[in-house]
Amino acid sequence: AQSVTQPDIHITVSEGASLELRCNYSYGATPYLFWYVQSPGQGLQLLLKYFSGDTLVQGIKGFEAEFKRSQSSFNLRKPSVHWSDAAEYFCAVGAGGSYIPTFGRGTSLIVHP
Amino acid sequence: NAGVMQNPRHLVRRRGQEARLRCSPMKGHSHVYWYRQLPEEGLKFMVYLQKENIIDESGMPKERFSAEFPKEGPSILRIQQVVRGDSAAYFCASSRGEDIGQPQHFGDGTRLSIL
Repeated sequence: AQSVTQPDIHITVSEGASLELRCNYSYGATPYLFWYVQSPGQGLQLLLKYFSGDTLVQGIKGFEAEFKRSQSSFNLRKPSVHWSDAAEYFCAVGAGGSYIPTFGRGTSLIVHP
Repeated sequence: NAGVMQNPRHLVRRRGQEARLRCSPMKGHSHVYWYRQLPEEGLKFMVYLQKENIIDESGMPKERFSAEFPKEGPSILRIQQVVRGDSAAYFCASSRGEDIGQPQHFGDGTRLSIL
């Protein structure tokens, strides 16, 4: 069975600074990987996904993530954070042939002006 | 609005009452998933349904919880005889297909509070 770990519960950055949110997964084969964002009081919105191919994936809102098989990681990055990026971010992993992704517990992003 | 619609957004119940949560999937989606989210926790899968069929309910408590997705109308998650521990945010998601390659689209959730 697959699992996913988001080691950071909270991350605080200044507006305009770069951002990296960590995600590590456990799965025997090539996983399907997702990053979702959840703003307060709302549901999850898909930022980006990786299935195969280019290991650097571009998403919405200026986010990108890189799949590193050797490190079992799929970290989310953004070069310059905006105050509106303050939210909860969830990494999820799934296996081909299944339909239910496994979600990490989330990382709360706090943006200082 | 072509997104996943959940209602009500907030629901307050007293212990022992019933809670009904509704979910209308995105247009063209026939797969519905229910998740529960507790404070500072990720989403926990509860149940996966297609029209008139429960495909996987492995994440749903065996007692008091039930779900349906009738041929007509929204999917319903029902919690009978609610207890304080049922307080949580319940999210519905839908997808076009059942494979993981069909990403799930989420509603804004129902926040259930038990007095």
